[in-house]
Amino acid sequence: AQSVTQLGSHVSVSEGALVLLRCNYSSSVPPYLFWYVQYPNQGLQLLLKYTSAATLVKGINGFEAEFKKSETSFHLTKPSAHMSDAAEYFCAVSDGWDSSYKLIFGSGTRLLVRP
Amino acid sequence: EAGVTQSPTHLIKTRGQQATLRCSPISGHTSVYWYQQALGLGLQFLLWYDEGEERNRGNFPPRFSGRQFPNYSSELNVNALELEDSALYLCASSSSRGRRDTQYFGPGTRLTVL
Repeated sequence: AQSVTQLGSHVSVSEGALVLLRCNYSSSVPPYLFWYVQYPNQGLQLLLKYTSAATLVKGINGFEAEFKKSETSFHLTKPSAHMSDAAEYFCAVSDGWDSSYKLIFGSGTRLLVRP
Repeated sequence: EAGVTQSPTHLIKTRGQQATLRCSPISGHTSVYWYQQALGLGLQFLLWYDEGEERNRGNFPPRFSGRQFPNYSSELNVNALELEDSALYLCASSSSRGRRDTQYFGPGTRLTVL
């Protein structure tokens, strides 16, 4: 069965600093991976997704993620943090080998951006 | 293009009552998913509807049920409410049944059980 682990429930960075949010996955089939962002009192917004094309995936708001099969990782990065990036970020893997499609989410990482 | 919409935004019920949550998918999307985001439990898959049928359900008791209408909108019903049902309920839609298809989420319904 597929699973996702996000290391660090809270990450704090200074404005302008590099953002690195970690995600490791476990999957018995080629994974499809997603990063979503959730702002306070809102739903989830898709940042980017990996579906077995390019291993470096670019998303919205300057975020990107690199799929590394050897490390079973899909870490999210942004070169320079902005105050508006403060939110909770969820990594997810699509589970559907038996045609029962659903997303399995990590526990989330709350990003704090210090002025 | 309108996104996924959910109603109501907030819902307050007491233990033992029933709650009905509604979701309208993005136009053209036939699959609707329901997730529960409870404090301390993270995001958990509840139900998946496609083409009017329930295709999969998560590890939730039968008092969580729902349906999908011919226009692909969906309803989630929670019977015999318990305090631990308090959570944000998120609905998502996708254009087809595929692992690579993106699920687009609505703003959620915050259910509070007193």
